[in-house]
Amino acid sequence: GQQVMQIPQYQHVQEGEDFTTYCNSSTTLSNIQWYKQRPGGHPVFLIQLVKSGEVKKQKRLTFQFGEAKKNSSLHITATQTTDVGTYFCAGPPLGAGGTSYGKLTFGQGTILTVHP
Amino acid sequence: DSGVTQTPKHLITATGQRVTLRCSPRSGDLSVYWYQQSLDQGLQFLIQYYNGEERAKGNILERFSAQQFPDLHSELNLSSLELGDSALYFCASSSRGPRGEQFFGPGTRLTVL
Repeated sequence: GQQVMQIPQYQHVQEGEDFTTYCNSSTTLSNIQWYKQRPGGHPVFLIQLVKSGEVKKQKRLTFQFGEAKKNSSLHITATQTTDVGTYFCAGPPLGAGGTSYGKLTFGQGTILTVHP
Repeated sequence: DSGVTQTPKHLITATGQRVTLRCSPRSGDLSVYWYQQSLDQGLQFLIQYYNGEERAKGNILERFSAQQFPDLHSELNLSSLELGDSALYFCASSSRGPRGEQFFGPGTRLTVL
């Protein structure tokens, strides 16, 4: 079945440093979604990328979707303590139908710690 | 606040017991998803319902079942509980299926002793 891998599993940075997490799917994705989960909280949607090679920015966050629609990255510039949390990528396989229609496979997440 | 509600917030029970977790989706959302999050497994998709019908299934155990009612709220039933079932259970809803964002509820923390 579809597998989504994220690296690194953990990342510790000093406040002000940059951070990048990478997401790779074993199958071509229909779209890629990114979520953030603060400690003790629930996942919160950040963004969705749909097109091959798409790049989107949200303030200090830059999201990319690979040309083959099998990988993605999230880059945070000049991290702040408010960026602490687990970042998940997730995506449905391209052309998913039948009993896989609604299945969103999540990566295992990257846990970001920011030291002030 | 995502607009998705889950009850109870915490649940402590014993092995072999049965529990029911409840979820109310955001107003207007027809899709409800259930996920299990444990420390070593990340977010595991269990099952999806759309307007009362099962639409997708993940690695849901046979001891687990779910349903979505006409008012669109959903229940996840866990039976013959084992220690390994201890986890956070999240419900999420969306208006556009897997092509749109999902809104997660606050979760139910299940502890099986």
